[in-house]
Amino acid sequence: DTGVSQDPRHKITKRGQNVTFRCDPISEHNRLYWYRQTLGQGPEFLTYFQNEAQLEKSRLLSDRFSAERPKGSFSTLEIQRTEQGDSAMYLCASSSRTGTTEAFFGQGTRLTVV
Amino acid sequence: AQTVTQSQPEMSVQEAETVTLSCTYDTSENNYYLFWYKQPPSRQMILVIRQEAYKQQNATENRFSVNFQKAAKSFSLKISDSQLGDTAMYFCAFIAFGGSNYKLTFGKGTLLTVNP
Repeated sequence: DTGVSQDPRHKITKRGQNVTFRCDPISEHNRLYWYRQTLGQGPEFLTYFQNEAQLEKSRLLSDRFSAERPKGSFSTLEIQRTEQGDSAMYLCASSSRTGTTEAFFGQGTRLTVV
Repeated sequence: AQTVTQSQPEMSVQEAETVTLSCTYDTSENNYYLFWYKQPPSRQMILVIRQEAYKQQNATENRFSVNFQKAAKSFSLKISDSQLGDTAMYFCAFIAFGGSNYKLTFGKGTLLTVNP
């Protein structure tokens, strides 16, 4: 098991373009989280899944953001019509329903909107 | 709603000394976990230590220990014999087990600098 994997690691896009990020959680982890982090700040909750069900979505998330987790495995986060304010690190984490519930983080995708 | 508050945006400590980072939280749940995560500069977030709310004994991991005060909803992290590699952002985090809500909530973090 290589841990939580995120792709791409870096993304530069022009304002108005759509971007999609992928997260591959640790196998058999049924919970998957997406966070957004700006420089010097704590992770800001975006959404989370238990298996394929999206159980909660932050009210901070505009309609331009959507996330999916088909078949309860990998997840994608799409941002439509990107804005400069979307520039941030997007973190994915996964955890098991049982045991210690520790969340394991990926290395993140750094998005820069120009 | 659950909230996590870290009141110290930045702290510094001399190498080999001890430092304590503060965290308070608010919840109506009775069953939950608390965590301290470390995020070194430009590196991945990793778990430092965890505490189950039902355990009265404070968790310890080598040089890291917590002071968990459930009634006061306080969860501080003590780092003993600080090392240069401890320089990082430290985040306090909380997850409850009420109903179907398993959201992991973070504080805003404390930037710890260990000085030689």
